[in-house]
Amino acid sequence: AQSVTQLDSQVPVFEEAPVELRCNYSSSVSVYLFWYVQYPNQGLQLLLKYLSGSTLVKGINGFEAEFNKSQTSFHLRKPSVHISDTAEYFCAVSDRGFKTIFGAGTRLFVKA
Amino acid sequence: EAGVTQSPTHLIKTRGQQATLRCSPISGHTSVYWYQQALGLGLQFLLWYDEGEERNRGNFPPRFSGRQFPNYSSELNVNALELEDSALYLCASLRDTSYEQYFGPGTRLTVT
Repeated sequence: AQSVTQLDSQVPVFEEAPVELRCNYSSSVSVYLFWYVQYPNQGLQLLLKYLSGSTLVKGINGFEAEFNKSQTSFHLRKPSVHISDTAEYFCAVSDRGFKTIFGAGTRLFVKA
Repeated sequence: EAGVTQSPTHLIKTRGQQATLRCSPISGHTSVYWYQQALGLGLQFLLWYDEGEERNRGNFPPRFSGRQFPNYSSELNVNALELEDSALYLCASLRDTSYEQYFGPGTRLTVT
């Protein structure tokens, strides 16, 4: 069985500071990994995904994530955040069989 | 390419009533997923439909049901509504070549 753990429920950070949102997963099979963002009162939007190949994945809005197989992690990073990045971020893992498990979410709050 | 659409945007029902939520996937997507996002509980997987068949369901009672039509649109029905059914219900369709889910804006169900 797969599981996803987002280690921080809330992350407050000042504008223009760097941020890392942590995600760990467990799975007995090879997986695909995703980060989604949800702005208030909206659905989820894909930020980036890891399917194979390079372990450093670049996504939209300046975000990137690194797949670390030995540590079973897929942490999301951004070198300089903006007020508009305030949102909830979800890490997700798929077992390549159309089943996707989502983490509980991390609320990023960017302060001026 | 039109995105995933959901209707209605908001739905207010009283306890004991039935609710019907609708979802239209992106053209060419045959899989539809339903999730419940209650306040503070993250995304909880409800149902997965593919090619008109229910493929999997989450840990929800039988009063949560649905179906997928020949045009791949889907309906989620919730019978005997309870107060704790109040949540944002998200629909997603799947692009099977990348296992990436595309989300609709959601239907906010309020049970009073």
